[in-house]
Amino acid sequence: AQSVTQLGSHVSVSEGALVLLRCNYSSSVPPYLFWYVQYPNQGLQLLLKYTTGATLVKGINGFEAEFKKSETSFHLTKPSAHMSDAAEYFCAVSVNDYKLSFGAGTTVTVRA
Amino acid sequence: DGGITQSPKYLFRKEGQNVTLSCEQNLNHDAMYWYRQDPGQGLRLIYYSQIVNDFQKGDIAEGYSVSREKKESFPLTVTSAQKNPTAFYLCASKRGGTDTQYFGPGTRLTVL
Repeated sequence: AQSVTQLGSHVSVSEGALVLLRCNYSSSVPPYLFWYVQYPNQGLQLLLKYTTGATLVKGINGFEAEFKKSETSFHLTKPSAHMSDAAEYFCAVSVNDYKLSFGAGTTVTVRA
Repeated sequence: DGGITQSPKYLFRKEGQNVTLSCEQNLNHDAMYWYRQDPGQGLRLIYYSQIVNDFQKGDIAEGYSVSREKKESFPLTVTSAQKNPTAFYLCASKRGGTDTQYFGPGTRLTVL
């Protein structure tokens, strides 16, 4: 069955520092992978997705992620954190054409 | 504006009462979803519907019911059989043949 594991439930970074959020997946078929962001008491917003093609995917707000099949990973990065990046981030993998399986989420705190 | 609306944003109910959460979309999407979000557990799928007048149970359907009488509407009823209904509920939708789910702003249900 398709699933994802997010390593680290909380990440704290200084403003201007690198943001790195880890996601490993398990899938019996070529996966479609997603990163979503959630601000407090709001819905989820798509940051980026990998379906096929280029393994380095660029998303909104300066985030990017790299699909590494050999490591079964899809880690999310941003070179320089901004205060507005404080949120919860979810990695997800497609189970089939209609369903997604979500990780438990990683909360990012940005220190001034 | 196109989008997904959920109402109300906050909902309080007494134990033993049924309550219905609203989800409407004007994106002409075929599929709609209901998720439950609890701290540290990510999103868990309650029910989903691929077409009008058809829906399937997700991973945690017990104590919930849905209907899909119109393409744009997918209400969720939390029944008194749901043992621990206090949570944040998210509705999502997706166009048929595509891979991305889009989320509404959520409803926070508190059982008193």
